[in-house]
Formats: sequence, C-alpha cells, structure tokens
Amino acid sequence: AQTVTQSQPEMSVQEAETVTLSCTYDTSESDYYLFWYKQPPSRQMILVIRQEAYKQQNATENRFSVNFQKAAKSFSLKISDSQLGDAAMYFCAYKAETGANSKLTFGKGITLSVRP
Amino acid sequence: GAVVSQHPSRVICKSGTSVKIECRSLDFQATTMFWYRQFPKQSLMLMATSNEGSKATYEQGVEKDKFLINHASLTLSTLTVTSAHPEDSSFYICSARDLGGPYGYTFGSGTRLTVV
Repeated sequence: AQTVTQSQPEMSVQEAETVTLSCTYDTSESDYYLFWYKQPPSRQMILVIRQEAYKQQNATENRFSVNFQKAAKSFSLKISDSQLGDAAMYFCAYKAETGANSKLTFGKGITLSVRP
Repeated sequence: GAVVSQHPSRVICKSGTSVKIECRSLDFQATTMFWYRQFPKQSLMLMATSNEGSKATYEQGVEKDKFLINHASLTLSTLTVTSAHPEDSSFYICSARDLGGPYGYTFGSGTRLTVV
C-alpha cells in the first residue's frame, strides 16, 4: 500500500523568505502523480502544484516549486517570497497512474505560519 | 476551471436525525466522487468512493448503513448521515475527478456537521 509521510507538523517562515516543506512517499508503482494541496482557514482544498513521476523536470508554479527525487521517493515543496496568505495547512498527496478513478493518498499535513 | 459545489456549508442537527450533504460538479461530469472526513488539524480521511450508477465503495471501518452514499447522476453525489450522534460531528469534504481537465481532483468547500 502506498504511504505518504510528512514528518514536520508545523513550520514557520518570515514574510518574504523561503521555506521548504518535506514529503516522502512509498510505492511500488513506477508511474504516479504527486500533489501539494493548500488548505487555508476557510478549509477549501486548493491545488498548489502537481508532478508526474515520468517527468524529470521539477514542476514550478510562480512562487511554488518542487524538488522531486524519484529514487529517494522525496517530493518537497519550496515556497519563495513567502506571503501572509501562504499561511495554511499543506498536504502532500499521491495518486497511482493505474486506474482512472484511483484515490488520493494524503500525508498528515503541515501547518505553515508566516511571520510579518 | 472545474468547480464542485457542496451544500450545506454548515448544518446542526439533533441526535437521532439524518442529514444529507450534496456535492455537485458544476461544469463537468464526474463519474467518480470521493467523500472525506476531517478532524481539526488532521488530514483528510477517505470514507468512500462514489461511482455513478453503482454502489459506493467504502473504506475499511466506515459504516455503510450510517453513511449512505448515492451517486444517481453524473453531476450529483449525496452523503446522508443517518441516526446522527455527537461523535459524527466533523468536517466532511467531497471531491470529484475531472477527467477532461489538467488538474485532476477538485474539492468542494466542505460541510461542518454538528450533532447536538
């Protein structure tokens, strides 16, 4: 069974600084997708970034980028120029490629606070 | 982009009554929807996978008779909490897979259920 591990329950970053959120996963599949979701106080789940395992290039979305290390099964999220609105819970998630309707497996999440 | 509408956002019900939560895909057809439960500061726990026109698949430990899921059309799935108890109080979130879109999974805004 696939597992997703986020070992840091909380992190804090100074506004305008950079922070990296860690995520590791375990799978026997070769093709899969990885995601980072943001859940602000409103509790709406928002997709931050996604990575296809077959792509070697790390995904980037504006201030958000990932460091995808397939061999190490590591998928960290880097937030640059942190803003107050980045404060939220962040969840790392995994989805197997096989099965169009296969479910997402979430990590426990990390609470990110941003200091003004 | 894909939008999933979830209603109600908040509901309070008395012990022993039933409450229905609706999840609609507004601009795409969702053959599969997912229902999650989330406790404060914790991750999303998958309760069941809802497939249009067929019975839902429940995760281990989730009571099928208590959490009734119906997915009668390609745009609507409902979760009914039957004979509600205070321990059923939680945040419930639905998600749908947009097969035609680039982002995969879209989440509803969630329902906070309080059983008194």
